Amino acid sequence: QQQVKQSPQSLIVQKGGISIINCAYENTAFDYFPWYQQFPGKGPALLIAIRPDVSEKKEGRFTISFNKSAKQFSLHIMDSQPGDSATYFCAASYDAGNMLTFGGGTRLMVKP
Amino acid sequence: DSGVTQTPKHLITATGQRVTLRCSPRSGDLSVYWYQQSLDQGLQFLIQYYNGEERAKGNILERFSAQQFPDLHSELNLSSLELGDSALYFCASSVDSNRNSPLHFGNGTRLTVT
Repeated sequence: QQQVKQSPQSLIVQKGGISIINCAYENTAFDYFPWYQQFPGKGPALLIAIRPDVSEKKEGRFTISFNKSAKQFSLHIMDSQPGDSATYFCAASYDAGNMLTFGGGTRLMVKP
Repeated sequence: DSGVTQTPKHLITATGQRVTLRCSPRSGDLSVYWYQQSLDQGLQFLIQYYNGEERAKGNILERFSAQQFPDLHSELNLSSLELGDSALYFCASSVDSNRNSPLHFGNGTRLTVT
């Protein structure tokens, strides 16, 4: 059962453009939503995270938007750079634990 | 570098065999998590240990088992291996077991079952 659905599966953006990745979840008990970035040959690395008591969180060029009523959240990468080319995973967890349910991943390519 | 060390990096073995994957968490981290990453199933949580005790179980097969030792390193044992067990196995660690502690992932062990 896929509890977190992520789209698109792949994304090509020009340098300087905005990359947008969307996720939707089913379990209303989820209350922690992190995004991870994974480069080839490496493990996922935490990028940014949000809790449902806020609708938006920004860190540098990365912004999470959260819509609790729609059970959706998204990652925006502003001024996308070739170095941002990686696979991005959204995730969700609930209770006090750290057991993350991951989305299927989005492979982002930023063209120079 | 996340500070989480996984060995070996690659493992090739035959069906029916048993393997052990090893993980050393970041210094000071008490909690260890195992995840499996495959093309068809994506990233799936397998099991979590906190300070030597099993804390949570996810989609872990009965053929798989894990433990965390007193020095906090962890091992994931996979037995009666099948072709479908071929995947990347990640270990992650965090300071404690709640979500205020970010997970730090190792670079994984790529298991190929032939």
